[in-house]
Amino acid sequence: NAGVTQTPKFQVLKTGQSMTLQCAQDMNHEYMSWYRQDPGMGLRLIHYSVGAGITDQGEVPNGYNVSRSTTEDFPLRLLSAAPSQTSVYFCASSYLMGPTEKLFFGSGTQLSVL
Amino acid sequence: QQQVKQSPQSLIVQKGGISIINCAYENTAFDYFPWYQQFPGKGPALLIAIRPDVSEKKEGRFTISFNKSAKQFSLHIMDSQPGDSATYFCAASIGETSGSRLTFGEGTQLTVNP
Repeated sequence: NAGVTQTPKFQVLKTGQSMTLQCAQDMNHEYMSWYRQDPGMGLRLIHYSVGAGITDQGEVPNGYNVSRSTTEDFPLRLLSAAPSQTSVYFCASSYLMGPTEKLFFGSGTQLSVL
Repeated sequence: QQQVKQSPQSLIVQKGGISIINCAYENTAFDYFPWYQQFPGKGPALLIAIRPDVSEKKEGRFTISFNKSAKQFSLHIMDSQPGDSATYFCAASIGETSGSRLTFGEGTQLTVNP
C-alpha cells in the first residue's frame, strides 16, 4: 500500500524555469491538496481538488497551476519559478466525508529556486 | 492573516516531563481541531483530534484540552520521550464537508532530551 507518492524528492531550478511536481495516491480519495511548508509559517494550502475535473485555490495559489484529470493524480505546476517559491511541498489526500478528516501526506518535495 | 496561532515555536523538555503546546483560533465556525506530528524528512501524520462538543480527549500519553469560550486548545504530552522529538502542528477546519481544508498553525519543534 503506497499511500501518497510524491516525485521528485529534491529539485533545484533556476529563476524562470518551469516544472511539475507529481503526486499520486492509491487510496481512492476524492480530496487532494498541495501545501507548502516554510519555517515559522506552518503549512499553507496552495490548491485543492474535491474530485476529478474540480480544482480550487487555497491560501497561496499565485504562481502555481493544478489539474485533476484522474482520481489518483494531482500534479502541481510551477509556471515560472521564483526564489520565493523555495520551499518544501507536500501533497495530501483524504476521503471527502467521513467520521474524521484525516489527511494522508506524502513525504514531500524540497524545491530550491536559484 | 494567520487564523490559527501556535506557541511556542520551539520547546525543550527533559525525558519524563510534560510537553505543552498551545493554539488559539479566531474563526468561531471552526469545528474540527486535529494535531499533526512530523518527523524530519517525512510528511505530517495525524496524531489526535477533537471536536468542540468535548473539552478533553486522551489517547495514550497524548491529551487535547479544548476551551471553546477562550477559542484555545492545547496538546499535552505526558511522560515525554526522546522519540516524541518532532514538529507538531495544530490545525482547524469547518464542517464535515470541508474536504479537509485545514488551516494549520505555525508549528512547534519539540526536543526531548534523554
